[in-house]
Amino acid sequence: QAVVTQEPSLTVSPGGTVTLTCDSSIGAVTDGHYPYWFQQKPGQAPRTLIFDTSHKHPWTPARFSGSLLGDKAALTLSGAQPEDEADYYCLLSYTGARPVFGGGTKLTVL
Amino acid sequence: QVQVQESGPGLVKPSETLSLTCTVSDYSISNSDHHWGWIRQSPGKGLEWIATIYYTGKTYYNPSLKSRVTISLDTSKNQFSLKLSSMTAADTAVYYCARFLGPTGPDYWGPGTLVTVSS
Repeated sequence: QAVVTQEPSLTVSPGGTVTLTCDSSIGAVTDGHYPYWFQQKPGQAPRTLIFDTSHKHPWTPARFSGSLLGDKAALTLSGAQPEDEADYYCLLSYTGARPVFGGGTKLTVL
Repeated sequence: QVQVQESGPGLVKPSETLSLTCTVSDYSISNSDHHWGWIRQSPGKGLEWIATIYYTGKTYYNPSLKSRVTISLDTSKNQFSLKLSSMTAADTAVYYCARFLGPTGPDYWGPGTLVTVSS
């Protein structure tokens, strides 16, 4: 089974920009992996921010964007706010529609 | 707006079978636009996809859990369910049900239910 890797932790200054990445152990990440990004705050269920690489839900703040960056999926936060401090997970779908989550990135806004 | 809500026992004994139900509100699980699935999160750990089902009954299972998992639909009640057999302490987790955009990932999540495996 594929392993999906994310940065364990990142720090961003308020108002700053940070990029989180999502890597696959089996080749480059492409649109065919339908990358998703989720935000999870302590004690809460995850919330879906991005689907299919770059598509946003109505509730996704405009400061979040998804893309492919080199061989990885990426989530960019531009203009970080204190409320963006959370855990972020990516999800990639592999052959046979079997999604695999990344280990998560703990984002600190400081 | 669609809502999903998990229900089931908070405590399960080792070797027993866990049964969880997800009740879907304000959206029909028979709608062909979406799938339905389960995800879990062990305490302090990351997320793990368990299984997904489509209204036709087509199912997808995590290979690491497939031998112990069954996902099913009850369209008359607008619910779907999860059964996980031979529970061990390693299965202690918060279990989430969710609506899936396709078989690829979830959009709406339930609040989650903590299941503890202990004698």
